[in-house]
Amino acid sequence: GEDVEQSLFLSVREGDSSVINCTYTDSSSTYLYWYKQEPGAGLQLLTYIFSNMDMKQDQRLTVLLNKKDKHLSLRIADTQTGDSAIYFCAESIGSSASKIIFGSGTRLSIRP
Amino acid sequence: DADVTQTPRNRITKTGKRIMLECSQTKGHDRMYWYRQDPGLGLRLIYYSFDVKDINKGEISDGYSVSRQAQAKFSLSLESAIPNQTALYFCATSDSRSGSSTDTQYFGPGTRLTVL
Repeated sequence: GEDVEQSLFLSVREGDSSVINCTYTDSSSTYLYWYKQEPGAGLQLLTYIFSNMDMKQDQRLTVLLNKKDKHLSLRIADTQTGDSAIYFCAESIGSSASKIIFGSGTRLSIRP
Repeated sequence: DADVTQTPRNRITKTGKRIMLECSQTKGHDRMYWYRQDPGLGLRLIYYSFDVKDINKGEISDGYSVSRQAQAKFSLSLESAIPNQTALYFCATSDSRSGSSTDTQYFGPGTRLTVL
């Protein structure tokens, strides 16, 4: 069945790069997304990548997609305290993108 | 996202009570969704609606019902609340009609429901 997996926790020193990884199972994904959830708030879209792309860069964020291995990663350069949040990987599935499947989320904590 | 609002933001209720959570959007999107979030489980889809007359069950619809009163309003009901329905509930919207649609979903701030 459809599944999106992520590790639950990541701890990074302030100023270092954070890399959050995700694997998915559905090869018919159209879009893959990264959402950010700050404490007490809903999910906000950080970035997305179309399934025929390998990489997308947006300021401090770099998304890498390995479609063969069904692996998606989010790299945050120069991690700052404001990046502390839960990061969700998600994929849209079905020809009409009738569903989005979310991973369980990775909690990113920043060490001084 | 201020364009998607949920009421109430917090609710404590007792087992067996009927509860309604409401969602409104000003984004003009055609699709609306209800999810619940539990620690370590991510988001699970309860119901989704592609149009006012098109409502579909998600992966965990048992114990829940929905109503799409208008394109902008989608409410979730718990007919007889039970403690394992204690969770954070999110409403989301998406636009399937835009030529540049990326199927992105936009989320409300969430409703924290506690069933005692």
